[in-house]
Amino acid sequence: SYELTQPPSVSVSPGQTARITCSGDALPKQYAYWYQQKPGQAPVLVIYKDSERPSGIPERFSGSSSGTTVTLTISGVQAEDEADYYCQSADSSGTYAVVFGGGTKLTVL
Amino acid sequence: EVQLVESGEGLVQPGGSLRLSCAASGFTFSSYAMHWVRQAPGKGLEYVSAISSNGGSTYYADSVKGRFTISRDNSKNTLYLQMGSLRAEDMAVYYCARCSSSGCDYWGQGTLVTVSS
Repeated sequence: SYELTQPPSVSVSPGQTARITCSGDALPKQYAYWYQQKPGQAPVLVIYKDSERPSGIPERFSGSSSGTTVTLTISGVQAEDEADYYCQSADSSGTYAVVFGGGTKLTVL
Repeated sequence: EVQLVESGEGLVQPGGSLRLSCAASGFTFSSYAMHWVRQAPGKGLEYVSAISSNGGSTYYADSVKGRFTISRDNSKNTLYLQMGSLRAEDMAVYYCARCSSSGCDYWGQGTLVTVSS
């Protein structure tokens, strides 16, 4: 089955830049989406279609894509950004064949 | 304001059945595909099932195929997930989400399914 691979954890100090990667063979052909989830809360969409930012999401969140890897970048990390981050995409078979990455715990030191 | 409210939370024995509902409001429900996503305790997000806007197309993760059935009633603005032959590994918080090519932009608060004897 198709898999998306994320690092289990990333740690940064406040004000620094955090980069969270997500790798998958179908990513050159399928869009990626990123979700932020804080404890006890539902996920929140922070990036869609690789690099688009929904309204209401701070500009410090950005996304990029290169080959089989997509990256979520958080510039000027704030304490409130500490959360789990999940990438989402689909395999090459169709729109609904969706998969999530394993998640990355972002720790703000 | 867009709202998704899940219901149907419960404790069920292994092999049992449960139906979850997701009541939608604040948007044209019949225009959107809807999805179920679950999260086992302390684990990551897992895609469960999806249904097209008119209900004509459905998708199931391999882990639930043949045991779960997704459906919707556009006249009632409600999404359903009928779960059968439940296993311990199905225990999770189940979220419904409104999804499009712009991502899953609205999620419910989640409802807990506990599978235990």
